[in-house]
This record gives sequence, structure tokens and C-alpha cells, in this order.
Amino acid sequence: KAGVTQTPRYLIKTRGQQVTLSCSPISGHRSVSWYQQTPGQGLQFLFEYFSETQRNKGNFPGRFSGRQFSNSRSEMNVSTLELGDSALYLCASRHTSGGAITTDTQYFGPGTRLTVL
Amino acid sequence: AQSVTQLGSHVSVSEGALVLLRCNYSSSVPPYLFWYVQYPNQGLQLLLKYTTGATLVKGINGFEAEFKKSETSFHLTKPSAHMSDAAEYFCAVSDPGSGYSTLTFGKGTMLLVSP
Repeated sequence: KAGVTQTPRYLIKTRGQQVTLSCSPISGHRSVSWYQQTPGQGLQFLFEYFSETQRNKGNFPGRFSGRQFSNSRSEMNVSTLELGDSALYLCASRHTSGGAITTDTQYFGPGTRLTVL
Repeated sequence: AQSVTQLGSHVSVSEGALVLLRCNYSSSVPPYLFWYVQYPNQGLQLLLKYTTGATLVKGINGFEAEFKKSETSFHLTKPSAHMSDAAEYFCAVSDPGSGYSTLTFGKGTMLLVSP
């Protein structure tokens, strides 16, 4: 099975622009989560989508948004980019039935490295 | 709120030596615990996880970890380090409030292996 894929792998943007990152989960996985990784703050949870609905959300401003399509592919968007948004953005997918509690493992993609100038 | 503390941002060992990476967590309810490894310019790879049952968990590449509730710890060990183990290691705890579907990570420990 192919792993989680993320596109593009690298992006350079300038302050004030907006950006869209894409994530294709492992086939059959219905849950997609996004994480931001920076040297200062480490790995932080952004949001999780399941069946096209946002199920959980981390503590990030509204400039960060996401969506999930019917084929489970997900996109995240960051509007009005700031220098501090420079980070590695990781997507993770899991196979879950959507129940209240899951023990399913999250599988991570290679990430998109965003640089904001 | 949950939190994870990894002692030591860098750990250096010689090839063949014991690897011990420390992880302590805080959680009001029994958590699920994970160790992930990240190689340069790559995503995270799961080494092992604890959900319920046996507290000694064996993972890939010879790593294992033991869940000690009384010490709120989940330290990662490997009897003999290989050069290929050099990477960054992250301990994580899942959030029961989210149905265990979100991860809170520690700051990471960079493992350096010398010949």
C-alpha cells in the first residue's frame, strides 16, 4: 500500500500571501490529521477531519483552515501568511470506524516544508 | 491538559551501547502512549505504542518501552545502538478528550551515535 503523500514538498511564499497544502491518505483511511512542526514550538496539532467533517481542532488562529473531500483527501489553507508560519506541516492518516475511541495508529507523510519570507 | 516531557534534547551513545530515552507524561486519565522516530527530511515513523494490556511494549528495530503508571513514565530503550539509529525521537500521548485521536508530543530527543 502506498503511504501518506503530501504535495508540494517545499513551498516558498511571502508575507500576506495564502497557501494550500494537500494530503492524500493511505487507501482506506478515513481520518486525516494535520500537525505543524517548528524548532521553537515542536509538533503541534492543527485539526482532524473524518468523513469530510472537522472532528477536533487545535489552538491555532482562524487563518488556519482545512477541509476533507469525499475520497478522504485533505487540504489545509493558511491565509495572510506570517513569518512565524514557516514550518514543516505534517499530515497523518488513520483507519478508523469513527467510533468514540480509537486505538488506530496515525501514519505520517513526509511533510510540506513552508518557508515564509 | 496533557503534557509530555522528554529529558535531554540530545543524547549521545557509542555504537553497541545501551540507548535510553526518557519520557514522562501528565494525564488525568490513563493515556495511550507512543514513540515516533524522525529521520532528516522525513515524516514520523511509529516505533511502538501502548494502549492497554502488557506494560512492556516491543517495537520495530529492537526498541522497547515500559509503561510505568506509578512513575508516569514511558522510557524508550534499545540494548545495542546502531549507527542507523541516529535520528530524532518523539514521545507522544493521545488525548482521551478527543477519543484518543489527537497526539500531544514532547519536544524530541536527538540521538547521536558515534562509532
